Amino acid sequence: KNQVEQSPQSLIILEGKNCTLQCNYTVSPFSNLRWYKQDTGRGPVSLTIMTFSENTKSNGRYTATLDADTKQSSLHITASQLSDSASYICVVTSSGTYKYIFGTGTRLKVLA
Amino acid sequence: NAGVMQNPRHLVRRRGQEARLRCSPMKGHSHVYWYRQLPEEGLKFMVYLQKENIIDESGMPKERFSAEFPKEGPSILRIQQVVRGDSAAYFCASSPLAGGPEEQFFGPGTRLTVL
Repeated sequence: KNQVEQSPQSLIILEGKNCTLQCNYTVSPFSNLRWYKQDTGRGPVSLTIMTFSENTKSNGRYTATLDADTKQSSLHITASQLSDSASYICVVTSSGTYKYIFGTGTRLKVLA
Repeated sequence: NAGVMQNPRHLVRRRGQEARLRCSPMKGHSHVYWYRQLPEEGLKFMVYLQKENIIDESGMPKERFSAEFPKEGPSILRIQQVVRGDSAAYFCASSPLAGGPEEQFFGPGTRLTVL
């Protein structure tokens, strides 16, 4: 069964600190993996997308990694800001399909 | 270029009433996807439509739910005789082309509350 699991479920950090969010998936055949940021009451917004051949992708203070062999990805946030408080969702797509398979997300709270 | 628009943003219905959720895709996008997000859960695929065609409705409940994307106007997700379990956030996404790595752009969602 195609699944995407994320950890931790929630995370609280102080402003300026770094953090790393994890994503494990069992989707096969794999096409690509995306990380989305979802602010409370808003729709998801894409942060990064990685295909099978890519193992790292950066977008400002966000850096995603992908290990296609172990089917794991991480999202590293550097020098966190209050505005980083949101849910971060890992989304995997299988080859030849348009269906996004969503993880349940990690809720990040950044405190001043 | 305006993003994906959804309305209403919040909708309250009593059990047994009908709910109509609207989605206007981004300009130039002819593919629309509907997702449902139950409290504390991830988004789940419901239906994929192109203009005037339902391509895949495998994620949509067989009863009470229907979707359309007419030649003119927004896509509509219709829920008849709503029940409390229908309370959720419903997100629409659009893409310019179908499938593969094409990015889906999400709207802000409609939060349906069934009393």
